[in-house]
Amino acid sequence: EAQVTQNPRYLITVTGKKLTVTCSQNMNHEYMSWYRQDPGLGLRQIYYSMNVEVTDKGDVPEGYKVSRKEKRNFPLILESPSPNQTSLYFCASNGGTNQPQHFGDGTRLSIL
Amino acid sequence: ILNVEQSPQSLHVQEGDSTNFTCSFPSSNFYALHWYRWETAKSPEALFVMTLNGDEKKKGRISATLNTKEGYSYLYIKGSQPEDSATYLCARPTGNQFYFGTGTSLTVIP
Repeated sequence: EAQVTQNPRYLITVTGKKLTVTCSQNMNHEYMSWYRQDPGLGLRQIYYSMNVEVTDKGDVPEGYKVSRKEKRNFPLILESPSPNQTSLYFCASNGGTNQPQHFGDGTRLSIL
Repeated sequence: ILNVEQSPQSLHVQEGDSTNFTCSFPSSNFYALHWYRWETAKSPEALFVMTLNGDEKKKGRISATLNTKEGYSYLYIKGSQPEDSATYLCARPTGNQFYFGTGTSLTVIP
C-alpha cells in the first residue's frame, strides 16, 4: 500500500529539548515536504526536498532542520524547540509539482 | 510568498444542494493547481491536479474548472451529501514550493 508514515503522532515536550519527527514514503517519490498547520493560516511549507541531498527552505524554515540522506526518508529536526512551534505537522511526498501530494497522518506537537 | 485565496471561508448547505467555491491565485508563471479534501482528524487527500487553461476534471459528484489567464479555479459539488463535509484546500506550486489557501470548510446538514 502506498503510504507516507510519520512518527510520532503526538508529542508533548519541553522548551529546548531536541526532537526529531520521522517521515518515510514507499512510493519512490523524489519530492518530499514538511508543512505546519496553524488555525487560520492554512498549510505552510517549512522545508522541501527535490531529491537525495537536495533540500531547500519553504516559507517558515526558522527553527527547523531537515536532511535527505535516503530517498525514502525526510526527518524534521527541532534542535531547540520553543512554544511557538506548537502545531500540527504534516509530511508529504509526490513525484513532482504537477503530481498530487500524498500526506502522512500528521504529528501534533506541543512544546511547553 | 504567493497569495492563494479561497472563498468562502465556510459554507453550510442542506443535503442534496449543489454548491461551489473558489480558489484565486496569481496567474503569472503558472505550473499547476491542486485541490485537496481534508476531513477532520485525517490528512489531506488529493482530488485533482490541473495544469491547462480550460481544464475540467471530474470525480463522481465533484468537479473542478481552471482559468489560468484570470487566475481562478472553481470546485463544484453536485447533490451534496453529509460525507462531503470537509475542508477543501487548493494549492499552487511555484518553482518547487507549494502555497496553500486557507481552505473552505463545508458542512452538509442532513
